[in-house]
Amino acid sequence: DIQMTQTPSSLSASVGDRVTITCQASQDISYFLNWYQQKPGKAPKLLIYDASNLETGVPSRFRGSGSGTHFTFTIYNLQPEDVATYFCQHYDRLPKYTFGQGTKLEIK
Amino acid sequence: EVQLAQSGAEVKKPGATVRLSCEISEYTFTDYPIHWLQQAPGKGLEWVGRVDPADGETIYAENFQGRVTITADTSTDTAYMELRSLGSEDTAVYYCATSQAGYHYGLDVWGHGTTVTVSS
Repeated sequence: DIQMTQTPSSLSASVGDRVTITCQASQDISYFLNWYQQKPGKAPKLLIYDASNLETGVPSRFRGSGSGTHFTFTIYNLQPEDVATYFCQHYDRLPKYTFGQGTKLEIK
Repeated sequence: EVQLAQSGAEVKKPGATVRLSCEISEYTFTDYPIHWLQQAPGKGLEWVGRVDPADGETIYAENFQGRVTITADTSTDTAYMELRSLGSEDTAVYYCATSQAGYHYGLDVWGHGTTVTVSS
C-alpha cells in the first residue's frame, strides 16, 4: 500500500507570511493528489485537486505543485481565516483514498 | 444546493453495531459514488469505503474490510454505513462525502458528520 507522509505536523506563522506543507508518497503516484482544509468542528473542504488545480471558489493564494512522489502546498499572504488543519490525500484507480497525517496551522 | 444530511449522534456499547445514514438532495443519487470517512478525536482522516448507488458496487479499506457494510437505497436517496463489533477505537466522527465534479476525484461535497461514541 502507498503511504503518504505529510510534514510538518504543526506550524505557526504570521499574517502575510508564506507557508509551505509537503507530502511525500512512498511510490510514484503521478498527479493523483488532493489537498483539503479542515477548520475546527467542520467537515473538510477541498482546496486543490490533481496536485495543482484550484477548486472553484478557492482563493488564489492557495497553490499546489508537484508530481510523482513529492508534493507541496503553499499559502501565500497568510490570512487569519486560514487557521485550520490541512490534509493531503492520494487516490488510486479504484479509487481508494489515503490521507496524510495532517498539518495544524496556527497564527503567531 | 447539493446537500448530504447525516443522521444524529450515536452512543454504543463495545461489541455493538452502529448504522449511520446519509441522505442526499439536489442531485441524482445514482450519478456519483458516496464515500464514508472516519476521524477519531484529535486524529486525521481515514477512508472507510464507498458505494456506487448506480449498481451497488462497494470498495472497502483494508482496515475495515469484514467489519463494515456500505449500502445505497435508491428509493430514498440514502446511503448507509454499518460498522460491527465496535470497540473504543471506533469512537470518531464519521463523514459521508461525494465527488461531483466528474473530472477529478476530489471529495467536493461533505456531510456535517455523525459522532459515534463507544463506551461501556
